[in-house]
Amino acid sequence: DTEVTQTPKHLVMGMTNKKSLKCEQHMGHRAMYWYKQKAKKPPELMFVYSYEKLSINESVPSRFSPECPNSSLLNLHLHALQPEDSALYLCASSQENGGGYEQYFGPGTRLTVT
Amino acid sequence: DAKTTQPTSMDCAEGRAANLPCNHSTISGNEYVYWYRQIHSQGPQYIIHGLKNNETNEMASLIITEDRKSSTLILPHATLRDTAVYYCIARGAGAGNMLTFGGGTRLMVKP
Repeated sequence: DTEVTQTPKHLVMGMTNKKSLKCEQHMGHRAMYWYKQKAKKPPELMFVYSYEKLSINESVPSRFSPECPNSSLLNLHLHALQPEDSALYLCASSQENGGGYEQYFGPGTRLTVT
Repeated sequence: DAKTTQPTSMDCAEGRAANLPCNHSTISGNEYVYWYRQIHSQGPQYIIHGLKNNETNEMASLIITEDRKSSTLILPHATLRDTAVYYCIARGAGAGNMLTFGGGTRLMVKP
């Protein structure tokens, strides 16, 4: 099973709301990732977790707060977002974080900030 | 990680082989060549990767030139469901080397 699941599929939130995106994998992968994809653009890396510890933060604004409660789960907490944060948010996982390991992506959460 | 260059778009007739080129002339010895594709509004899908040797799996074949400066992804019998954006990515082996997506090639498979 090479499935990464993400919930919700769609999310509409106001700029004062707090919401969370959830990602789950049961492949025993020890690296998990958050990407952001704007319309007609390629995905851009936001965060990397390796063995449940944050290893890379690509200068993401603090209104995005990642959390890795255990090796199977990855959350992205959202607070005080701006309309320009509207995008497809993708989660991925890989066996380890390194160049020889393929990443498996979830279907994404399409976020609209109003 | 080395920069990759791909054509912006390509067409392919259904049932024919789709050959997608990628140039990575500055690739270093420890950088893998990865291919992913993204069908409209879905998450990217891993296709194949290689370091030096040609690789084949159930989805595609990856042909890497001997000097490693370019590669070709081959979908042997393209179907309409193969219509997608295909990304070629050069990625170093170390943990600090990320998957950096470029513009990709938009492949349109036509009946």
